[in-house]
Formats: sequence, C-alpha cells, structure tokens
Amino acid sequence: AQSVTQLDSHVSVSEGTPVLLRCNYSSSYSPSLFWYVQHPNKGLQLLLKYTSAATLVKGINGFEAEFKKSETSFHLTKPSAHMSDAAEYFCVVSDRNDYKLSFGAGTTVTVRA
Amino acid sequence: EPEVTQTPSHQVTQMGQEVILRCVPISNHLYFYWYRQILGQKVEFLVSFYNNEISEKSEIFDDQFSVERPDGSNFTLKIRSTKLEDSAMYFCASRPAGPTEAFFGQGTRLTVV
Repeated sequence: AQSVTQLDSHVSVSEGTPVLLRCNYSSSYSPSLFWYVQHPNKGLQLLLKYTSAATLVKGINGFEAEFKKSETSFHLTKPSAHMSDAAEYFCVVSDRNDYKLSFGAGTTVTVRA
Repeated sequence: EPEVTQTPSHQVTQMGQEVILRCVPISNHLYFYWYRQILGQKVEFLVSFYNNEISEKSEIFDDQFSVERPDGSNFTLKIRSTKLEDSAMYFCASRPAGPTEAFFGQGTRLTVV
C-alpha cells in the first residue's frame, strides 16, 4: 500500500522569498513521486516527477524537489515565490507495481505582495 | 501537444438521475483513471482501468458507479442514481506504460440538485 502525507495544509509566503512544501511518502516498492499544481478553477498540471533517475528533480516555473529515501521525503522548493505561484499543490505517489496514483491532502500556497 | 479532454465541463443534474461523464484519453496511453474532488477536499481515487477491465477501485466506487471504454477512444464514468454528495469535480487521467506521470483532463464539475 502507498500513501502520502503533506505536512502543511497552508503555506503563506511573501513574494520573492523561498517556498518549501513538505511531503512524506509510504510505499512498499520503489516509488514514483510527482508534484501537481492546481490553480483556481483549473485542472491538474504536472510540476515535476521523480522516477528513479536523479534524486534532485527540476520542474517548471523554477520549482525543484529532492527525493530522500532515508527520510521518505520529497519536499518541493522554489527559491523566490511569485504571485502566480498562489495555488493548491499536491504530492502524489505511485508504486511501480500498482495501478493508481495516491494523492496527498494538498497544500494551499498564498503569496503576499 | 496531446491532451486528455473531458466533456461536459459542467453538468447540473437532478438527484436520482443518471449521468455519464466523458473523457478522451491520450491515444497511445494504456492506463485510465477517474478521480474526484469534493469542493475544498482532497483529490480521491475512484477507479483505474487497464486492458479493458477495472484494475483497482476505491470504496467510493460502489454499485452506483461504472466505467466503460466503449469504442477504444472514449472512457466514460456513469453514475446510475446521483446523490447530493456526488457533487464534485471529476477528473479523468491517462498514462502510458512505465513509471511516468498521469495526464489529467480539465475536469467535469458535477452539481446534483
């Protein structure tokens, strides 16, 4: 069985400051991990993915995440937040031998001017 | 760029009526999914479909729900007798073989009145 825990339900940052969204996972096998973003009234867009290659993964819009097996974590970071980063972020895990993607509860990011 | 398309974007239905939500996955993908997101809540897995049959389903996916891939291109979710609590955004997704991400449609917002 697989599961994801997003440790923060809401993160508020000032524009231009770093963003950190925390995600821990549980997986029986070697997982694939993803971060998706959902802007208001929009669908789910892939930010980045880890599928057993480099542990530091770069995504779109300046986001990156690091897979740490020893900590079972896949935290998402961005050095400098932009107003357009205000959205809901989902950490997602998929086992290699499983057919489904399991979503975390989501983290709402607000960016203050 | 190929994308998953869902129709309609918004559907309002009377309680007890049947609804069919339609999805056209990306053409060479092998795995198909339905997820739902009740307003303000997390994204919940409903069902996955592979090789023309359900590969996994959640507790939510009871006898009121069914899925079909009637013509090799469309992928439908049917709710036989809608309840008020079925009101949600329903997302269709597809993915190719291998440990890669799922591609999500823009969603169908179902409102049961």
